[in-house]
Amino acid sequence: NAGVTQTPKFQVLKTGQSMTLQCAQDMNHNSMYWYRQDPGMGLRLIYYSASEGTTDKGEVPNGYNVSRLNKREFSLRLESAAPSQTSVYFCASSEVFSGGSTDTQYFGPGTRLTVL
Amino acid sequence: RKEVEQDPGPFNVPEGATVAFNCTYSNSASQSFFWYRQDCRKEPKLLMSVYSSGNEDGRFTAQLNRASQYISLLIRDSKLSDSATYLCVSYTGRRALTFGSGTRLQVQP
Repeated sequence: NAGVTQTPKFQVLKTGQSMTLQCAQDMNHNSMYWYRQDPGMGLRLIYYSASEGTTDKGEVPNGYNVSRLNKREFSLRLESAAPSQTSVYFCASSEVFSGGSTDTQYFGPGTRLTVL
Repeated sequence: RKEVEQDPGPFNVPEGATVAFNCTYSNSASQSFFWYRQDCRKEPKLLMSVYSSGNEDGRFTAQLNRASQYISLLIRDSKLSDSATYLCVSYTGRRALTFGSGTRLQVQP
């Protein structure tokens, strides 16, 4: 039982390049999330998928797209990377999208992305 | 103004000390609150939920004060292994979780 896995762990891009961050969970969770974490800013929600087949914008969606490929997988795409997208990206999943006190979010190990 | 605000610290305390962190939230519609722990260069992990009546889990006690809109985390008998960043988190029912930027704790021998 691996929990939430992310690939790659590290990536360096040049401005204007594109890439897709992959996320998969094996806990049969319905909801999945993408966050970015910058120094002094905390975790900010980029996009989320409350259930398979749905996606919604979070706090900072500009410059990103997502795909909920199936119940297990949720990918994040940068179409034209910019230096402002240098960050640590975390994927998370939860059993349901309720925010209730029992609705724990489980995070992947993160992808450290640098855009030059 | 950030929706969830925390003192970034660091809080440097000796082993065995008691330390408390506060966190304030601006959205009175916030329904649920949590403390997550994040070790250096690792992913956040749920430490505990925060209930209106307050709750305790071993050496950790969480309190919620809705009137003043703050949440607290008390750690008793600090261990070296408690060194981490503690993230205050709220849920408004609107759009997933809102994370504070974290308070860093360094427990020293």
